[in-house]
Amino acid sequence: AQSVTQLDSHVSVSEGTPVLLRCNYSSSYSPSLFWYVQHPNKGLQLLLKYTSAATLVKGINGFEAEFKKSETSFHLTKPSAHMSDAAEYFCVVRGNNDMRFGAGTRLTVKP
Amino acid sequence: EPEVTQTPSHQVTQMGQEVILRCVPISNHLYFYWYRQILGQKVEFLVSFYNNEISEKSEIFDDQFSVERPDGSNFTLKIRSTKLEDSAMYFCASGQGALNEKLFFGSGTQLSVL
Repeated sequence: AQSVTQLDSHVSVSEGTPVLLRCNYSSSYSPSLFWYVQHPNKGLQLLLKYTSAATLVKGINGFEAEFKKSETSFHLTKPSAHMSDAAEYFCVVRGNNDMRFGAGTRLTVKP
Repeated sequence: EPEVTQTPSHQVTQMGQEVILRCVPISNHLYFYWYRQILGQKVEFLVSFYNNEISEKSEIFDDQFSVERPDGSNFTLKIRSTKLEDSAMYFCASGQGALNEKLFFGSGTQLSVL
């Protein structure tokens, strides 16, 4: 069965510094992986997805993620954090008929 | 970009009452889903729906819950005899169904059971 583990429940960075949100996956076959973001009182918005076309995936708002099969990881990064990036981030793996969510990582951005 | 819309945004009900959460998926999508997120916990899958029937459901989705696509555009989640622990944010999602396709999520209905 597919699953994801987000290694940090809370990450705090200063504005302008890099962001790293970690995600490890478990899958019996080549997975489809996603990162979603949830801002307060908003729905879940897709940041990016991996579908085996390229291991480095670029998403919206300057985020990107690299699929590393040897490490079973799909970490989300951004070179320079912005105040508007403060939100909850979910790593997600696609199952047969559903999406399996990680527990989420709350990103705080300090001025 | 097309949107999934959910109504109401916030629903307050008394314990034991029935609630219906409504969703309008994107018009050409074929697969529909309900998820919930209890405050402070992870997003949990409830049910997926395709071709007018449930295709998969989680252990959370017991006889208290039901889903329906009553008129070809709306997709509803009914919760009978609500309990305090049903309080959560409920998200509807839709997709075209391919394994690598993204799901479009609505902005959620916050259900508060008092």
